[in-house]
Parts: sequence; structure tokens; C-alpha cells
Amino acid sequence: KQEVTQIPAALSVPEGENLVLNCSFTDSAIYNLQWFRQDPGKGLTSLLLIQSSQREQTSGRLNASLDKSSGRSTLYIAASQPGDSATYLCAVRQEGYSTLTFGKGTMLLVSP
Amino acid sequence: GAVVSQHPSRVICKSGTSVKIECRSLDFQATTMFWYRQFPKQSLMLMATSNEGSKATYEQGVEKDKFLINHASLTLSTLTVTSAHPEDSSFYICSARMEGADTQYFGPGTRLTVL
Repeated sequence: KQEVTQIPAALSVPEGENLVLNCSFTDSAIYNLQWFRQDPGKGLTSLLLIQSSQREQTSGRLNASLDKSSGRSTLYIAASQPGDSATYLCAVRQEGYSTLTFGKGTMLLVSP
Repeated sequence: GAVVSQHPSRVICKSGTSVKIECRSLDFQATTMFWYRQFPKQSLMLMATSNEGSKATYEQGVEKDKFLINHASLTLSTLTVTSAHPEDSSFYICSARMEGADTQYFGPGTRLTVL
């Protein structure tokens, strides 16, 4: 059974810092990996999707990398802003399945 | 594009009553919809997968007679929590996916509080 772990559980940084969020998964037979953002009491917003054959994806200040063989992904946020404060969730889709397995998330607080 | 809505956004009910939550894909046809439950500071746990016109597939440990799912059309799925109890209080989120697509689009969630 796939298990997804996110470290750290919470992170507090001053505005302007670059930061890295980590995601690890136990079964490397994945189809893709996705990073989401969730604001308090809200649904999920997809940030980046990396196919199993890809190594990284970039969108603006966000860069996600994938090392499938070692079961790891990182989300890099450059020049963090208070508006980046949210919970960031990592989810993997297993090969041959349509469902997603989520980590517990990293709660990020960026202070002005 | 690819917007998913949920209704209601919040519901408070008495123990023993049934509650229906709607999930709609507003601008695309969703052949598959997913229902998740999220407890405070926990991750999303998949409850069931529903395909239009067929019975939902429930995850292990999820009671299909308690959580009734109907996917009657390509734009609407409903989750009915029957005989709700306080332990059913949670944040329920649906997602929808087009046929052949990789991405799931998530709704804004429904906060259920059972008194």
C-alpha cells in the first residue's frame, strides 16, 4: 500500500526566503505526482503535476522535482510571500490506478 | 475552465438525520468523480470513486450503506450521509476528472457538523 509522507509538518519563514518542501512515497511505481495548495477551510488548487517520466516542472516561482527511483519529490518556492501561506499537499497516482494518495501536508506561514 | 462546485458549503444537522452534498462540474463532463473526507490537520482520505451510470467503488472501511453515492449524470454526483452522527463531522471534498485526463479538479469542500 502506497504511503506518502511530507516533511516538515509545519514551516514558518520570513518573507523573501527561498524554501523547500519535501514529499516521499514508499512505492516507486507511480504514474504521476501532484502538488496542491489548500487554504484554510477551502478546497484544493493544483500547482504542479509531474509525470513519472519527468524530472521537474516549473510554474512561476514554484519548481517541483521528482526522483522516482528514490521515492522523493521536492517543491521549491522562491522569494516567498505572505500570500504563499497555506497548506501544501503532495499526492501520488499509482500506475494502473485512477486514485490519488495524499500526504498530510506541510503548513507554511510566511510572515511579512 | 474546469470548475467544480459543491453545495452546500456548510451544513449543521442533528444526529440521526441524513444530509445530501452535491458536486457539480460546471464547464466539463466528468466521467469520474471522487469523494474525499478530511479531518482537522489530517490528509484527504479517499472514500469512493464513482463513474457516471455505474455503482460507486468504495474504499476499505467506508460503509456504502451509510455514505450513498449517486453519479446520475456527467456533471453531477451526490453524497448522502445517512443517519449522521457526531463522528461523521468532517470536511467533505469532491473532485472530478474528464475521460482520458490525468488531472482531478477539486471542489471547494463542504463542512459537515453533526450535533
